[in-house]
Amino acid sequence: DAKTTQPTSMDCAEGRAANLPCNHSTISGNEYVYWYRQIHSQGPQYIIHGLKNNETNEMASLIITEDRKSSTLILPHATLRDTAVYYCIVRVIRDDKIIFGKGTRLHILP
Amino acid sequence: GAVVSQHPSWVICKSGTSVKIECRSLDFQATTMFWYRQFPKQSLMLMATSNEGSKATYEQGVEKDKFLINHASLTLSTLTVTSAHPEDSSFYICSAVDPGVEQYFGPGTRLTVT
Repeated sequence: DAKTTQPTSMDCAEGRAANLPCNHSTISGNEYVYWYRQIHSQGPQYIIHGLKNNETNEMASLIITEDRKSSTLILPHATLRDTAVYYCIVRVIRDDKIIFGKGTRLHILP
Repeated sequence: GAVVSQHPSWVICKSGTSVKIECRSLDFQATTMFWYRQFPKQSLMLMATSNEGSKATYEQGVEKDKFLINHASLTLSTLTVTSAHPEDSSFYICSAVDPGVEQYFGPGTRLTVT
């Protein structure tokens, strides 16, 4: 079973920040939080990952709570091309198999 | 960034025939690759772990005699769907592990069995 809980779907207006929550209350101390997204009929695309500290890259920001039981992926200025299913994953090492949950289907509204 | 390719990107085959899907790591050597299957509007389901030079490890409920996996080199894993049936129609995705770096996904192969 997936170790994370995400809302089934979310809407966000184009140009606004999209904030996608994820609960991972049973995360272990050595598990990282990863985010991927899958645009329709494509393979998953890596977005960002983190252990304890907040992270930012050119695509998104990742905010992890102090107790590490939840996190939020932030797309700062959503565009129509960000419409996708977003998956929050917890895993120990990069080489480990990835078990996908149901993810959040993000709709960007024009 | 690292690239993983799949071939073909889509394939249509007749019921009862076999079809082979290739997964290649283009700029790194992957001792481990994973195969996933995805039905419409569902999440990715892990089918098997492919290790170079050894037998694949299949997830519970996946028929190893139906889904043959061969990882003959450090840059190539193949998935053969044998005696395909319409219920095998799906989107097949592979991922390849660049050791110590990251895991990268291929673009997927859409299989339609008529």
